[in-house]
Amino acid sequence: AQSVTQLGSHVSVSEGALVLLRCNYSSSVPPYLFWYVQYPNQGLQLLLKYTTGATLVKGINGFEAEFKKSETSFHLTKPSAHMSDAAEYFCAVSFSGGYQKVTFGTGTKLQVIP
Amino acid sequence: KAGVTQTPRYLIKTRGQQVTLSCSPISGHRSVSWYQQTPGQGLQFLFEYFSETQRNKGNFPGRFSGRQFSNSRSEMNVSTLELGDSALYLCASSFTGRQTDTQYFGPGTRLTVL
Repeated sequence: AQSVTQLGSHVSVSEGALVLLRCNYSSSVPPYLFWYVQYPNQGLQLLLKYTTGATLVKGINGFEAEFKKSETSFHLTKPSAHMSDAAEYFCAVSFSGGYQKVTFGTGTKLQVIP
Repeated sequence: KAGVTQTPRYLIKTRGQQVTLSCSPISGHRSVSWYQQTPGQGLQFLFEYFSETQRNKGNFPGRFSGRQFSNSRSEMNVSTLELGDSALYLCASSFTGRQTDTQYFGPGTRLTVL
């Protein structure tokens, strides 16, 4: 079965500092990997996704993530945090083939300190 | 282009009642997925519909059911409500429902069971 582990339910960074949100997955077949962001009282918005090809994926709002098969990781980074980045972030995994049945991580709440 | 809409946004019910939630996907999207989000269990996949057919189902009891209409609008129903059904119910749509498709989420329906 596929699973996702997000290390750290809460992460605090200073404005302008590097953002690093960790995600490790478990999958016996090549995964598709996603990062979503959720602002209070809103649904989820896709930040970026890895399906095939280039392992460094660039997304919206300056975020990027790198798929590392050897480490089974898909960490999310942003060079410089903005106050508007404060939100909850979810890593998710699904399998190639078949249809939507995405498994989400437990989420990481990002706090940006001015 | 209008986003995914969910109605109602907030709902309060009592134990034993039933409830129906509605989701209108983005125009042209034929796949609709439903998720339950709770603080304790996080985001969990309920089911996915495509062309009025349920293609995938998560691990939820039979009290949770859904359907999709010919215009791709979807409803989910929960019968005999329990306190533990209190959650944010999210709907997501995509063109085909394939794993590589981007899912677009609605703002959710917050259900409170008293």
